Amino acid sequence: AQTVTQSQPEMSVQEAETVTLSCTYDTSENNYYLFWYKQPPSRQMILVIRQEAYKQQNATENRFSVNFQKAAKSFSLKISDSQLGDTAMYFCAFVLGGADGLTFGKGTHLIIQP
Amino acid sequence: DAGVIQSPRHEVTEMGQEVTLRCKPISGHNSLFWYRQTMMRGLELLIYFNNNVPIDDSGMPEDRFSAKMPNASFSTLKIQPSEPRDSAVYFCASSSGRALGGELFFGEGSRLTVL
Repeated sequence: AQTVTQSQPEMSVQEAETVTLSCTYDTSENNYYLFWYKQPPSRQMILVIRQEAYKQQNATENRFSVNFQKAAKSFSLKISDSQLGDTAMYFCAFVLGGADGLTFGKGTHLIIQP
Repeated sequence: DAGVIQSPRHEVTEMGQEVTLRCKPISGHNSLFWYRQTMMRGLELLIYFNNNVPIDDSGMPEDRFSAKMPNASFSTLKIQPSEPRDSAVYFCASSSGRALGGELFFGEGSRLTVL
């Protein structure tokens, strides 16, 4: 079974700083997808960014980027110029290609301080 | 386009009562998922459907839980009888399937409290 590990239960940074959330996963497969989801206090799960394992280039979405290290099975999320609205739980998730249903990590609670 | 719609948003009930959670997936999506979120266990996949057919219910905790999808636009998750340990947020999510690499679109969740 695939597992996803987020080793930082909580992080706190000042507004405008850059923060990196870590995620590691375990699989013996080569074809898979990785995701970061954001869950603000409203409870809504929002997709932040997606990475296909077959792509070497790291995905980027505005202030959000990932550092995908396939050999190390690492998938960290970097948030640049952090904003108060980035305060949320962040979940790393994994799915095998051709499979259904994401496996989620336990989440990191990110707090952006004014 | 409307997102995934769940009801009720909040439910408080007493132990032993039947609870029914409802979900309307995004139109055109052929996969539907039920997740449970708790502080202790995080997000757990309970069951998912492809084209209205249950594919994997190995995450359903026990026989008190059941899920149905009678058509492409509606699914229910039922707990009977409910117990305090069932208290959690239950999410429904839908997907276009594997074509988009499994991206899920979530509803706002149903927070269940069993007293």
